[in-house]
Amino acid sequence: ETGVTQTPRHLVMGMTNKKSLKCEQHLGHNAMYWYKQSAKKPLELMFVYSLEERVENNSVPSRFSPECPNSSHLFLHLHTLQPEDSALYLCASSQAGQGYNEQFFGPGTRLTVL
Amino acid sequence: AQSVTQLDSHVSVSEGTPVLLRCNYSSSYSPSLFWYVQHPNKGLQLLLKYTSAATLVKGINGFEAEFKKSETSFHLTKPSAHMSDAAEYFCVVKGPNNNDMRFGAGTRLTVKP
Repeated sequence: ETGVTQTPRHLVMGMTNKKSLKCEQHLGHNAMYWYKQSAKKPLELMFVYSLEERVENNSVPSRFSPECPNSSHLFLHLHTLQPEDSALYLCASSQAGQGYNEQFFGPGTRLTVL
Repeated sequence: AQSVTQLDSHVSVSEGTPVLLRCNYSSSYSPSLFWYVQHPNKGLQLLLKYTSAATLVKGINGFEAEFKKSETSFHLTKPSAHMSDAAEYFCVVKGPNNNDMRFGAGTRLTVKP
């Protein structure tokens, strides 16, 4: 595997379910990100893990919970979601530090909340 | 503070004609700027980046962009559109911190035969 991978690619869940999204990067990077991409809206940064420090967007509801066990793996735990949480969830990675380091994106998980 | 504005939500061109996707930015820092492309049901792929070296940046698939500080612009161009260029394009401005990336709303490029 190369680049950034995400599983599952598609997920349908009910509002009472608990599920997790997984992201893995094979690029040797030390920063990982979760983004939410909704129709007609700019990409929304949800969480950043950089050098084992978490930086989060305070507007993200607590029903989204990230976990980063090491620099290569990132999870997004989901519970009691709402239909408006249906979106494409993108994971990205980069080399942390000052400067112009671009982010590399995975293919995304298409989430539908019924 | 940083922001980015993509001036067109949708651009339609004929195959073989030039492409122009417009982007204006605002930044308190000396910014780095990127263009990403997203094909349907795919993640974002980096097309090119500006990092304060040459102001004319060449990317993949024949795309290029010119950084114009006086106009605070970073427009994306391609001399001749191909059907495979049909996708969503995002202009991005980045500050010095890892969480300081601002994405434009995107421009959908349609290429007609």
